[in-house]
Amino acid sequence: GAGVSQSPSNKVTEKGKDVELRCDPISGHTALYWYRQSLGQGLEFLIYFQGNSAPDKSGLPSDRFSAERTGGSVSTLTIQRTQQEDSAVYLCASSLAREVTGELFFGEGSRLTVL
Amino acid sequence: AQSVTQLGSHVSVSEGALVLLRCNYSSSVPPYLFWYVQYPNQGLQLLLKYTSAATLVKGINGFEAEFKKSETSFHLTKPSAHMSDAAEYFCAVSGYSSASKIIFGSGTRLSIRP
Repeated sequence: GAGVSQSPSNKVTEKGKDVELRCDPISGHTALYWYRQSLGQGLEFLIYFQGNSAPDKSGLPSDRFSAERTGGSVSTLTIQRTQQEDSAVYLCASSLAREVTGELFFGEGSRLTVL
Repeated sequence: AQSVTQLGSHVSVSEGALVLLRCNYSSSVPPYLFWYVQYPNQGLQLLLKYTSAATLVKGINGFEAEFKKSETSFHLTKPSAHMSDAAEYFCAVSGYSSASKIIFGSGTRLSIRP
């Protein structure tokens, strides 16, 4: 597709379950970000992948959160043992390599609800 | 390290009035600065960006922002608000290195009164 694709668009899970959220960036974009958007909290940085460099994981809120990016393309954000405070919209964005000044292209997000 | 503070989580103006959304940044290196907009039920999109060229930056839909280093500010303005400007606006900052992540503020919701 032409844009950043995220799946699922909505996920309802029970507390304690694991969830996986997927992001397909725009083809050729080597920079990929995950953000979390909660009501009144703005966009919280989670993790940043840039090409083959080690990812910047400084925003991951706990060790229950992890992310990987396979083949420099698709990324998966995994949340283990989900808690109610994990409920939020998880946004993925991509941009061109070396274009830190370039535009971030965002997906529609994955809305996670933990019951 | 970089951070962004947006003053005012909600701003309401009358149609035709001046729009002013405030953003102050903190950065240990020369910053790049951005404004993104999120219309209702839509994804975020770039409104404008400052990348060390002209300090007054013009964006889409008549918005502009001025980089003021002495005030560490990057406020967003529009001379005359339109109903279609109602949205959430996010200021963001990064360093100039490709290793520097982009950090967003908490957002300001702009409402337009008829």
